[in-house]
Amino acid sequence: GDSVTQTEGQVTVSESKSLIINCTYSATSIGYPNLFWYVRYPGEGLQLLLKVITAGQKGSSRGFEATYNKEATSFHLQKASVQESDSAVYYCALSDLGNNAPRFGAGTKLSVKP
Amino acid sequence: EAAVTQSPRNKVAVTGGKVTLSCNQTNNHNNMYWYRQDTGHGLRLIHYSYGAGSTEKGDIPDGYKASRPSQENFSLILELATPSQTSVYFCASGDAGGPSQNTLYFGAGTRLSVL
Repeated sequence: GDSVTQTEGQVTVSESKSLIINCTYSATSIGYPNLFWYVRYPGEGLQLLLKVITAGQKGSSRGFEATYNKEATSFHLQKASVQESDSAVYYCALSDLGNNAPRFGAGTKLSVKP
Repeated sequence: EAAVTQSPRNKVAVTGGKVTLSCNQTNNHNNMYWYRQDTGHGLRLIHYSYGAGSTEKGDIPDGYKASRPSQENFSLILELATPSQTSVYFCASGDAGGPSQNTLYFGAGTRLSVL
């Protein structure tokens, strides 16, 4: 079945430093799935951060970017300069072709040090 | 504003008892989902539905049933609760098609403890 792997359970970064959170996926269909990053800020619900449905395209939101790399089956989340307010848990997810239920990675907790 | 509402927010149940978790959405979405979240596992799919009257098994359906009596409501039922079902449960809704296909809108979660 479809699966998503996030290798880092927790990441700590100093404010204004760059960030990369890794995500790789495996999809059963021969086409290209839709890829997502969701975020849960402290005290808030899980919400969509960004979405990319076309291989090779980049999505961006709130200063974060992720590029759909079909060759590497990756969708890493990056930010050039993090802020304390970026501290949250980030989940990578995929939805295979058509109307298929999304699957999620284990999540990465980001802590930004002032 | 469209919303997904879960009830109860917290539940303590006894082993062997029946537990029903409820979810209501005002998004007018066809699709609804139940996930559980455990440390180290992220969100795992239990059951989902494509519309009223339909339920589908997700990746970890054992020990759970689902019911979708209407577009708005989707319930998760634990007929014989076990301590291994202690977890946080999330309901979500999503569009079946269009540009927001498979983008999920989540409820606040239900924290279930089975003693």
